[in-house]
Amino acid sequence: TQLLEQSPQFLSIQEGENLTVYCNSSSVFSSLQWYRQEPGEGPVLLVTVVTGGEVKKLKRLTFQFGDARKDSSLHITAAQPGDTGLYLCAGAKDGNQFYFGTGTSLTVIP
Amino acid sequence: DSGVTQTPKHLITATGQRVTLRCSPRSGDLSVYWYQQSLDQGLQFLIHYYNGEERAKGNILERFSAQQFPDLHSELNLSSLELGDSALYFCASSRGPEERQPQHFGDGTRLSIL
Repeated sequence: TQLLEQSPQFLSIQEGENLTVYCNSSSVFSSLQWYRQEPGEGPVLLVTVVTGGEVKKLKRLTFQFGDARKDSSLHITAAQPGDTGLYLCAGAKDGNQFYFGTGTSLTVIP
Repeated sequence: DSGVTQTPKHLITATGQRVTLRCSPRSGDLSVYWYQQSLDQGLQFLIHYYNGEERAKGNILERFSAQQFPDLHSELNLSSLELGDSALYFCASSRGPEERQPQHFGDGTRLSIL
């Protein structure tokens, strides 16, 4: 069982639609990061959130860290084909231990 | 380009063998992290080194070992290989030891065990 569960696992949407990806756990994390990974490449960091309730925006992407620091969400507005990829959340706890989520594979259809 | 270099890109070997994966971190980064990514397990944290010292251990098997050298490059050694060790192995680097610092990933080494 993964410590961080992401939903949905797969998402296929039309260009211009909005979507939300969830990252949930029963554990508390000291910080949480979101990455995007494209085929044949390593994950690329999108954002780090550290404070419960924190909201960060990166252009059309909005990230939120849950008040209890157990969960997070990623909302994309007006999705574009360039947003296609594998989205991974990763939480840090227990002194530099990193736990990656199960991943959400997003396909944006032109 | 993340600035993190991993070699080789692909490795094909047989069960029972031993391999060494190499990682050169970004210039100025002192931390190196190793991860394993497989279809059934996702991305798993293996081990973290900072400035030559081991900082944290994750789901690393006893058959696996790693080290970080004085020039800050790192090697991951996998021995007595099993079919289940087939996976993508990623290295990431960051400036300091703190967990919140951005990690920059290499493009990985794809290990195939026949």
